[in-house]
Amino acid sequence: AQSVAQPEDQVNVAEGNPLTVKCTYSVSGNPYLFWYVQYPNRGLQFLLKYITGDNLVKGSYGFEAEFNKSQTSFHLKKPSALVSDSALYFCAVRAYNNNDMRFGAGTRLTVKP
Amino acid sequence: DVKVTQSSRYLVKRTGEKVFLECVQDMDHENMFWYRQDPGLGLRLIYFSYDVKMKEKGDIPEGYSVSREKKERFSLILESASTNQTSMYLCASSFSGQGVPEQFFGPGTRLTVL
Repeated sequence: AQSVAQPEDQVNVAEGNPLTVKCTYSVSGNPYLFWYVQYPNRGLQFLLKYITGDNLVKGSYGFEAEFNKSQTSFHLKKPSALVSDSALYFCAVRAYNNNDMRFGAGTRLTVKP
Repeated sequence: DVKVTQSSRYLVKRTGEKVFLECVQDMDHENMFWYRQDPGLGLRLIYFSYDVKMKEKGDIPEGYSVSREKKERFSLILESASTNQTSMYLCASSFSGQGVPEQFFGPGTRLTVL
């Protein structure tokens, strides 16, 4: 069965600095990888996904993620963080042969002014 | 825009009560999902459905059941609520077309069982 690990419960960055939120995965076969963001008292919002092709995926709100097959990682990045990026971020993986996803435990990102 | 709505944002029930959580999506999606979200555990899949009247167990189905009588509606049922079912419940939907569709989430229902 597929699984995801987000090794950091909390990430703190200063506004304007680059940010990285880490994710590693385990799945049989080719993975489909997703990032979602959750703002307080809201459901999850889709940010971006990797299916195949270019290892660098660009998504909403200036976020991007890099797929690394050898390291089984899919880290979320942004060149310049905003205070409004502060939220809970979830990485998810889906196997190529089923429709259900597995989510990581989440990483709380705090961007300080 | 896809819209997934959940019947209640906040719900308080007593131990032993039967609880219904309703989810409706308006984009004719085939797939629907129920998750619970707990701090430090992320989202855990309870049940999902690929079509009307079809259901599949997720990772933590114990104590829950589901119903999908219409394509747009997916209900989660707690037959006899217990305090360890206090949680945030999230519904999601996705289509089954070509490509790898993302899931669209509702706003969540925060359930407290006293």
